Amino acid sequence: QKEVEQDPGPLSVPEGAIVSLNCTYSNSAFQYFMWYRQYSRKGPELLMYTYSSGNKEDGRFTAQVDKSSKYISLFIRDSQPSDSATYLCAMRTPGYSTLTFGKGTMLLVSP
Amino acid sequence: DGGITQSPKYLFRKEGQNVTLSCEQNLNHDAMYWYRQDPGQGLRLIYYSQIVNDFQKGDIAEGYSVSREKKESFPLTVTSAQKNPTAFYLCASTTTREGNYGYTFGSGTRLTVV
Repeated sequence: QKEVEQDPGPLSVPEGAIVSLNCTYSNSAFQYFMWYRQYSRKGPELLMYTYSSGNKEDGRFTAQVDKSSKYISLFIRDSQPSDSATYLCAMRTPGYSTLTFGKGTMLLVSP
Repeated sequence: DGGITQSPKYLFRKEGQNVTLSCEQNLNHDAMYWYRQDPGQGLRLIYYSQIVNDFQKGDIAEGYSVSREKKESFPLTVTSAQKNPTAFYLCASTTTREGNYGYTFGSGTRLTVV
C-alpha cells in the first residue's frame, strides 16, 4: 500500500461547479497536511495547509482533514477555468521536514 | 523578493554527457530538495540536504550527484550513469523549524536527451 493515494483524474467540471479533491494516507503519524497547485510546465505552489484535524478556509478554497479516516480533502467553490491545473496533496510528520506527496489530480474546468 | 531560482529553464544533453542544474534560494531556508517529475509518476525525491555540507539520498539517487557548499545553493549533476534523464526537475526549499511549513518550489528545469 502506498503511503499517500490520490486519484490522477482527469476530473472535468463546468465553470461554477463545486470541486472535491481527495487523498487517503496510511501513516497515522502525519500531522501536517498541504495542498499544492501546479500549472503545466511550472513548479507547484502552496495553496493550503492544515495542522492535525479540522477545516481551514481561504476564499473559494476549503481544506479538510479527517485523521480518524486518514482522509484529506480540498474543496473549490465556484470553480473557474483558471483553476485548471494539477493538485497535489502533501503531508509530513512532526520533526521531519521531508514531505510525502500524492501523485496529483488533474482538474479541468470548462467555460 | 525572496524566492528560489532554477536555471536553465530548458537543457539539452547529449548521450554520455554530465550536466548540472542550478538551484539558488534567498529565503534563508535550511533544507533543500531535488525532485524528478515524469508524467503519471508524481514527484520522486532524488536528494535532499538539511544542512550545509551534508545531504542524503532520496528514492531515486542513482545516476545523480549533489553538493551543498553554501546554504543558498544546491546544484544537481545528472551524470552519464543516469540512463533515462529526460524529465522535469524541481528544486524546493523549506525551513527546518517546527511548524506548518510547506516547500517553496522553483519553476523547474526541463532536461531532454538529444
